[in-house]
Amino acid sequence: DQQVKQNSPSLSVQEGRISILNCDYTNSMFDYFLWYKKYPAEGPTFLISISSIKDKNEDGRFTVFLNKSAKHLSLHIVPSQPGDSAVYFCAASATLNNNDMRFGAGTRLTVKP
Amino acid sequence: DAGVTQSPTHLIKTRGQHVTLRCSPISGHKSVSWYQQVLGQGPQFIFQYYEKEERGRGNFPDRFSARQFPNYSSELNVNALLLGDSALYLCASSLMGNEKLFFGSGTQLSVL
Repeated sequence: DQQVKQNSPSLSVQEGRISILNCDYTNSMFDYFLWYKKYPAEGPTFLISISSIKDKNEDGRFTVFLNKSAKHLSLHIVPSQPGDSAVYFCAASATLNNNDMRFGAGTRLTVKP
Repeated sequence: DAGVTQSPTHLIKTRGQHVTLRCSPISGHKSVSWYQQVLGQGPQFIFQYYEKEERGRGNFPDRFSARQFPNYSSELNVNALLLGDSALYLCASSLMGNEKLFFGSGTQLSVL
């Protein structure tokens, strides 16, 4: 059962423009959401997170928005840089200490110079 | 400080064999989780250990087992390998649970 879905397998944007990566979830018990970035031959690295008590969290060029009623979150990267080219995974868990974090299938972002 | 280290980085096995994958967490981290990532999919949860106790198990057959040692390092064992077990196996550590996982680079397992 795919409780976390990233419906866009790939996204291509021009350097300097905004990248918007989307994620939908089905389990209403999820209350903590994370984005990970993965380069080839490396493990995923943590990018940014948001808990369900917030609807926005910002860290530099990266902002995550959470719409609980729509069970939807998005990651905005602005301005996009070529070094941002990677696979981005959305992840969710029911509690901070839950033993089962669910990941989406990932979106491959390509930022063109 | 060293990050999460996994060994080996690559492994080739044949069907029916067993395999042991190893993981050393970041110093001070007491929780280790194992994930399987098949090409084109996101990581799927296999096990989580905290303070040497199994805290959770994903939807994987009993051929998969794991343990955590007193120094918080961990092993993932897979018996009777199938072709479908070919995947990237990721280990992640954290202080207590899922607050933020730190992943290793993974072990790429190929079953022929």
